Amino acid sequence: AQKITQTQPGMFVQEKEAVTLDCTYDTSDQSYGLFWYKQPSSGEMIFLIYQGSYDEQNATEGRYSLNFQKARKSANLVISASQLGDSAMYFCAMRPLNSGNTPLVFGKGTRLSVIA
Amino acid sequence: EPEVTQTPSHQVTQMGQEVILRCVPISNHLYFYWYRQILGQKVEFLVSFYNNEISEKSEIFDDQFSVERPDGSNFTLKIRSTKLEDSAMYFCASRVGQVPGELFFGEGSRLTVL
Repeated sequence: AQKITQTQPGMFVQEKEAVTLDCTYDTSDQSYGLFWYKQPSSGEMIFLIYQGSYDEQNATEGRYSLNFQKARKSANLVISASQLGDSAMYFCAMRPLNSGNTPLVFGKGTRLSVIA
Repeated sequence: EPEVTQTPSHQVTQMGQEVILRCVPISNHLYFYWYRQILGQKVEFLVSFYNNEISEKSEIFDDQFSVERPDGSNFTLKIRSTKLEDSAMYFCASRVGQVPGELFFGEGSRLTVL
């Protein structure tokens, strides 16, 4: 079974600053994927970034990067140059990659508020 | 850009009534999912569907829930006899088969049971 832990229920960041959202995970699978999703107040779930357990480099997508530390089982999301539109809930999720249709398991989320 | 579409966006129903939530996944996707999110809480897995059958379901997905892919494009979630605690946002998601296999979510259907 997989478990995702997001210990920060809420975070504040000044506009244009960087922010790190924490995510730790627990799994017995050798091959797995880690995902971050953004949920703005409108409710939809928007895929942000993916990191595979065998990827040697940290994933980056524009202003999003994933600080992957496999030994610590952490997959923190870093948002650089925060914008007001980044204010949203952020969910970390994971699934094993060699198990067919095993679903994504989500953490409880972190609410990010960007302050002007 | 192709997207997952869900209808209705919001449904209000009386306790005990049947509800059907509809989803049109992205056309070349092979795996389909329903998740729910009670207001302010985490996103919870309900059921996954592949090759016209359920591949996995959670303990939430009891006998009052069912899923169908009636015509090869639509993917429906039926709740037979709604309860107050079924009030939530229901998300449909789909993905292609290959790694990484990120889920693409619809905008959700908000169900309110009175």
